[in-house]
Amino acid sequence: GAGVSQSPSNKVTEKGKDVELRCDPISGHTALYWYRQRLGQGLEFLIYFQGNSAPDKSGLPSDRFSAERTGESVSTLTIQRTQQEDSAVYLCASSLTGVNYEQYFGPGTRLTVT
Amino acid sequence: DAKTTQPNSMESNEEEPVHLPCNHSTISGTDYIHWYRQLPSQGPEYVIHGLTSNVNNRMASLAIAEDRKSSTLILHRATLRDAAVYYCILREWAGNQFYFGTGTSLTVIP
Repeated sequence: GAGVSQSPSNKVTEKGKDVELRCDPISGHTALYWYRQRLGQGLEFLIYFQGNSAPDKSGLPSDRFSAERTGESVSTLTIQRTQQEDSAVYLCASSLTGVNYEQYFGPGTRLTVT
Repeated sequence: DAKTTQPNSMESNEEEPVHLPCNHSTISGTDYIHWYRQLPSQGPEYVIHGLTSNVNNRMASLAIAEDRKSSTLILHRATLRDAAVYYCILREWAGNQFYFGTGTSLTVIP
């Protein structure tokens, strides 16, 4: 079946502009995660959605970052007033609920802020 | 948050076994040990996970120390396609987060 998809695959934006990144999880997956990966670094947790529960936003680095998810479907990550330090690959993952289930990752969106 | 320690890099010859170590001295009794790998220019992919007992699947084996303060991912015969960054992660029973760290970059030598 279809995996996790993300769009766009690449995004170049000017400093100060807003960007929206999209994630389509695997159908039936109740959990959805967003991560940021800077060049040569590990993954940095941003936000977690679980069904209709309040999201875990503890990883969002500033109030310029926000994310939404409607039910168990598509999620969008929005970065307002982008800064050069926001340049990174943004990865989305989905999974079934529970510690015994693995995450399935999308290919990521490479964001470059000029 | 539970953390893990891994060597930054390792090398292996093709067709030979690889043992990738991970220390997690602060692990709690309900933390699961997960391994993921990230091939160049791709998102991470699941490899294996376990709680207390050693685990085997088609990709690898996971050996967990009796005190659970360390674990080893075993690739039985390294291939060039196994060249990747391998992440050892603790998943808290009640937690939402996966802490990936910087992982071990595995180079496979032909």
